[in-house]
Amino acid sequence: EAQVTQNPRYLITVTGKKLTVTCSQNMNHEYMSWYRQDPGLGLRQIYYSMNVEVTDKGDVPEGYKVSRKEKRNFPLILESPSPNQTSLYFCASSPRGGYQPQHFGDGTRLSIL
Amino acid sequence: AQSVTQLGSHVSVSEGALVLLRCNYSSSVPPYLFWYVQYPNQGLQLLLKYTTGATLVKGINGFEAEFKKSETSFHLTKPSAHMSDAAEYFCAVSDNNQGGKLIFGQGTELSVKP
Repeated sequence: EAQVTQNPRYLITVTGKKLTVTCSQNMNHEYMSWYRQDPGLGLRQIYYSMNVEVTDKGDVPEGYKVSRKEKRNFPLILESPSPNQTSLYFCASSPRGGYQPQHFGDGTRLSIL
Repeated sequence: AQSVTQLGSHVSVSEGALVLLRCNYSSSVPPYLFWYVQYPNQGLQLLLKYTTGATLVKGINGFEAEFKKSETSFHLTKPSAHMSDAAEYFCAVSDNNQGGKLIFGQGTELSVKP
């Protein structure tokens, strides 16, 4: 089954404790992206990757890092999480770009105390 | 820069009534436009897309949207609402030049009353 898998689905942690949210897709897609969803703001793009070793900033990249060492994986790293990063996060992929329909994961709800 | 505005954060309709969710965009180049739906505790699913060609686009679950360049709009409609249509709906815009960027609207929560 074609899918985008995020882990964990839920996480409560404390300020400053490094965390990684993993994202993996099994569709051989070149493009992957991370979004955060906040009430009243819709989804905002954090980072995206057009292919292996190619990443670029979205609209809200501050406080986040990503890497794309393999085609299937695109982890989101919060080096020093802060409460304003409490949000619902989605990973998505598409064959080639943001201009193509995205396949979304089920989301990761992060709470940073 | 591209942007998307969805008019109305909450829309409520009766079962069987017309659904109209509004989306306006700004883009300096021909846009790619999308509507996604999000059911509770789930990720987003594609409802329909406009790339080029026919301006009236049909999607899943009886939804359709019309691209109107002169009005910079891409409103979503469904002739007859069903209880199962209750969800949050997002309009989004991208284009060929952007490659990776995809801009979402703020979302519209649709409620369907029996």
